[in-house]
Amino acid sequence: SQTIHQWPATLVQPVGSPLSLECTVEGTSNPNLYWYRQAAGRGLQLLFYSVGIGQISSEVPQNLSASRPQDRQFILSSKKLLLSDSGFYLCAWTKVLWVLGTEAFFGQGTRLTVV
Amino acid sequence: RKEVEQDPGPFNVPEGATVAFNCTYSNSASQSFFWYRQDCRKEPKLLMSVYSSGNEDGRFTAQLNRASQYISLLIRDSKLSDSATYLCVVNGNYGGSQGNLIFGKGTKLSVKP
Repeated sequence: SQTIHQWPATLVQPVGSPLSLECTVEGTSNPNLYWYRQAAGRGLQLLFYSVGIGQISSEVPQNLSASRPQDRQFILSSKKLLLSDSGFYLCAWTKVLWVLGTEAFFGQGTRLTVV
Repeated sequence: RKEVEQDPGPFNVPEGATVAFNCTYSNSASQSFFWYRQDCRKEPKLLMSVYSSGNEDGRFTAQLNRASQYISLLIRDSKLSDSATYLCVVNGNYGGSQGNLIFGKGTKLSVKP
């Protein structure tokens, strides 16, 4: 069966510090991978998605970046965090053939507080 | 028009009540539709997919109206454990991507004893 791992679960970082969140998927190959952010009282906002190794699409301009160094690994990074980067970050994966239905499986999320 | 819009919440209902959530979407090319449930401070999890003919899973019924670009979720005989935020989700297929999902902001349901 497929599983998705995301870490850390919680993180408190000072403004201006770097960020690295990691997500890995097991039990499947060539997944679509996503980073979402959910700010307090707001809906899920798609930040990045990737359909393959080294392929990253950005949905929202910001000071965050993403990388996919391996098929089942997705990393969210920042060189300098802003207060507005606080939120609940969720990694997700979907099967490749969206026309067959595209259920998304989420990691448990990282609650980031920038202070 | 926002990509996916849902009823504003919160919905506060007594146990046993029937509650309905509505959702509209803007991309007429969308092909996949879902309802997700998100418990407080947890990740979203799939509740049910929504099929063109409508579908039912126990106390939950989902309907899709493609002409009106409208999705609904009906919960009958509400339980305390149904308290959560319900997210309407639509496949966006933006920019040729595969499986790009667009989430509504969610409607919070609180079921009271």
